[in-house]
Amino acid sequence: DAGVTQSPTHLIKTRGQQVTLRCSPISGHKSVSWYQQVLGQGPQFIFQYYEKEERGRGNFPDRFSARQFPNYSSELNVNALLLGDSALYLCASSPTAVYGYTFGSGTRLTVV
Amino acid sequence: GESVGLHLPTLSVQEGDNSIINCAYSNSASDYFIWYKQESGKGPQFIIDIRSNMDKRQGQRVTVLLNKTVKHLSLQIAATQPGDSAVYFCAGPYNNNDMRFGAGTRLTVKP
Repeated sequence: DAGVTQSPTHLIKTRGQQVTLRCSPISGHKSVSWYQQVLGQGPQFIFQYYEKEERGRGNFPDRFSARQFPNYSSELNVNALLLGDSALYLCASSPTAVYGYTFGSGTRLTVV
Repeated sequence: GESVGLHLPTLSVQEGDNSIINCAYSNSASDYFIWYKQESGKGPQFIIDIRSNMDKRQGQRVTVLLNKTVKHLSLQIAATQPGDSAVYFCAGPYNNNDMRFGAGTRLTVKP
């Protein structure tokens, strides 16, 4: 079985641009969560979606948004990119909304 | 706010020795904790979890101990191997919607 897949693996954007990151959960998993991991730190929670509804939002500005599709895949959008948005963005899926998270390998975003 | 944190940012051990990585948490209501291993260029990988109604749980070469009195948990790795070199995170649920991660401990295994 495929694990959590994220695309792209790397990308470089310019300040002020917008970016869309994609995540496909493990088959049968209905929950997708997004995390930001800045170099040298632990992952920070951004969003959780379960059954296509937002279940939780971390302390991130409104420039960050996400959605979950009927097939449970998800997109994370970040508008008006700042240098400080440079990070590894991780997607995790779970069969429930609480436990059993499996992480993907992440998308490395560099803002220049 | 509620937090989960690790005691030491780095730990260096000799191959074959046992490793102990510590973590403290502040939320007394936390009922579930997970240890993750993250290798360079990869996402966090589940190692072992423990629920608050347990004091100890063992896996293959790993043991997690939970001390609710002092709000502390530890990950013990037996007979540490070079492949165990990674960053280790403890994590606990917050608001049932997200996992709070500590800053991580980088384990280096010396041959």
